[in-house]
Amino acid sequence: AQSVTQPDIHITVSEGASLELRCNYSYGATPYLFWYVQSPGQGLQLLLKYFSGDTLVQGIKGFEAEFKRSQSSFNLRKPSVHWSDAAEYFCAVGVTSGTYKYIFGTGTRLKVLA
Amino acid sequence: SAVISQKPSRDICQRGTSLTIQCQVDSQVTMMFWYRQQPGQSLTLIATANQGSEATYESGFVIDKFPISRPNLTFSTLTVSNMSPEDSSIYLCSVAGGWNSPLHFGNGTRLTVT
Repeated sequence: AQSVTQPDIHITVSEGASLELRCNYSYGATPYLFWYVQSPGQGLQLLLKYFSGDTLVQGIKGFEAEFKRSQSSFNLRKPSVHWSDAAEYFCAVGVTSGTYKYIFGTGTRLKVLA
Repeated sequence: SAVISQKPSRDICQRGTSLTIQCQVDSQVTMMFWYRQQPGQSLTLIATANQGSEATYESGFVIDKFPISRPNLTFSTLTVSNMSPEDSSIYLCSVAGGWNSPLHFGNGTRLTVT
């Protein structure tokens, strides 16, 4: 069955430090990959997406993600974290299983220390 | 991207009653989905709302408990029937323009069952 794993439930970083959030997926083919952010009390916002082509994709708010087929991973990175990045981050995959659908990971809650 | 309006934004309901949540999109969309996000949890897909036909439910969700309608390409409803406190959650309507499109979300309905 298809699944998405985000191994880190919580991550704490200092403001200005770099960030990497991990995402691994299980799917028989190359899925469509997404990262979303959910700030406290806010809705879900798309950060970036990967469909094909260049495996390093750029998103909004200075985020980027790299698709590694050999590792079934799609990790999210940011070189310098800002306090406003504190939020919940979800990795998601678009897969075909009977019908087309989107499966979300368990999420990683990011805390930023001033 | 599509603008998704979801009503009500929140409600407090008594156990045993039902609540119907409406989702209106400002443009025609191919795919509509209903998700549930329990407190502090990730997003779980309830069903795919199919235009003009019965919804496709995920494992663990049944039509009697979560009947869904989608009369056209811009509107859908989700009913949470015979509610219990375990149904307290955020219910999210989401849409995508096609199988290679990202998912976009409404602001959700925060449901509390007492």
